[in-house]
Amino acid sequence: EVQLVESGGGLVQPGGSLRLSCAASGFTFSNYWMSWVRQAPGKGLEWVANIKQDGSEKYYVDSVKGRFTISRDNAKNSLYLQMNSLRAEDTAVYYCARPYCIGGACYNFDYWGQGTLVTVSS
Amino acid sequence: AIQLTQSPSSLSASVGDRVTITCRASQGIRSDIAWYQQKAGRAPRLLIYDASSLQSGVPSRFSGSGSGTDFTLTISSLQPEDFATYYCQQFKSYPWTFGQGTKVEIK
Repeated sequence: EVQLVESGGGLVQPGGSLRLSCAASGFTFSNYWMSWVRQAPGKGLEWVANIKQDGSEKYYVDSVKGRFTISRDNAKNSLYLQMNSLRAEDTAVYYCARPYCIGGACYNFDYWGQGTLVTVSS
Repeated sequence: AIQLTQSPSSLSASVGDRVTITCRASQGIRSDIAWYQQKAGRAPRLLIYDASSLQSGVPSRFSGSGSGTDFTLTISSLQPEDFATYYCQQFKSYPWTFGQGTKVEIK
């Protein structure tokens, strides 16, 4: 059974940093792209970042470029999101998600974690 | 960035009703679209991918159609467990974007 379990969320002051983790199991982690998706309270979904299987390609939504860094450790079956210079508008539930990609094209997020809440407030 | 506009933003329907949700893309995205269902406090659940392919385990009352810029998600006979918020998402190009959501409520 595929499982994605996020951790690391919490309350942080504006300008602060936080590192999210996602522990993956039930599939060969190193074979898949991975993503972070967030959802502000009462709002819709927003894709945040992607990382290729070997970490050689990374993509970000413009609003987090230069502040967030996605990374992975295939030996530990883990995905990370380092978030720096946090702003109130980064407050959201952050989901780890697995995109289903074949031959350079992606088609969906077929598995999601339960999410971890990040609150940026003084 | 490709914008996805869903309509309506919300709707009220009764059990057994046929429900259609529309997603319009700001530019052509072939069939690179997926649909998700999200219930309060839960992670999204994949329903449809590649515009019209039903995800394994999803009831056949859900269907998707469209290509290019106009897409629809149809629930042929609404069930009590279908009351939720539905999102479309495009995978055509970065940044991947979602529609703003359509909340389906009980009439």
